Amino acid sequence: DAKTTQPNSMESNEEEPVHLPCNHSTISGTDYIHWYRQLPSQGPEYVIHGLTSNVNNRMASLAIAEDRKSSTLILHRATLRDAAVYYCILMEYGNKLVFGAGTILRVKS
Amino acid sequence: GAGVSQTPSNKVTEKGKYVELRCDPISGHTALYWYRQSLGQGPEFLIYFQGTGAADDSGLPNDRFFAVRPEGSVSTLKIQRTERGDSAVYLCASSRDSTTGTQYFGPGTRLLVL
Repeated sequence: DAKTTQPNSMESNEEEPVHLPCNHSTISGTDYIHWYRQLPSQGPEYVIHGLTSNVNNRMASLAIAEDRKSSTLILHRATLRDAAVYYCILMEYGNKLVFGAGTILRVKS
Repeated sequence: GAGVSQTPSNKVTEKGKYVELRCDPISGHTALYWYRQSLGQGPEFLIYFQGTGAADDSGLPNDRFFAVRPEGSVSTLKIQRTERGDSAVYLCASSRDSTTGTQYFGPGTRLLVL
């Protein structure tokens, strides 16, 4: 299973943008980059995914490097409700999710 | 619409007992996944169903663990002769089919083996 590397934790101020990095140097051509987050005492929640091009949705943006060996999840205005563990996962369609340790995001008011 | 539901939300049992954990996926979702999450760690894959059949059971830790999905909807994860190390949150997820990728998770069942 392809591996990703994320910082253990990050901190942000409320209402400011947050950039969560992910390195995936061994990504294959068919791997999609998925981001999930897990709020305390809840199951993981899908955030966004992409293959090669940058992606935007109502929750976040995903910026993918041209060589696809890294990506960044962007939360445009962090709120207290965004405090969670964020997981960057490489996955072929239809396959299982292989979670790492993720990044703990703390948001300060 | 209704999301993935799991019952019970909490289960306390004694070492050596048998437990069943239930997952109700989102209606119409053909793919169903089970994961296990220990404290402070990310979820760990256990088994994946496409319809009624187990497409990948490579994550089941040993033969005490078994899962079924007889009618392609509700799934039950069964654990025989429970051990204290089985204590964890058991998560279920479903997706529309095996090609869409996006998985929707339930709240989990917290299992404690005394």
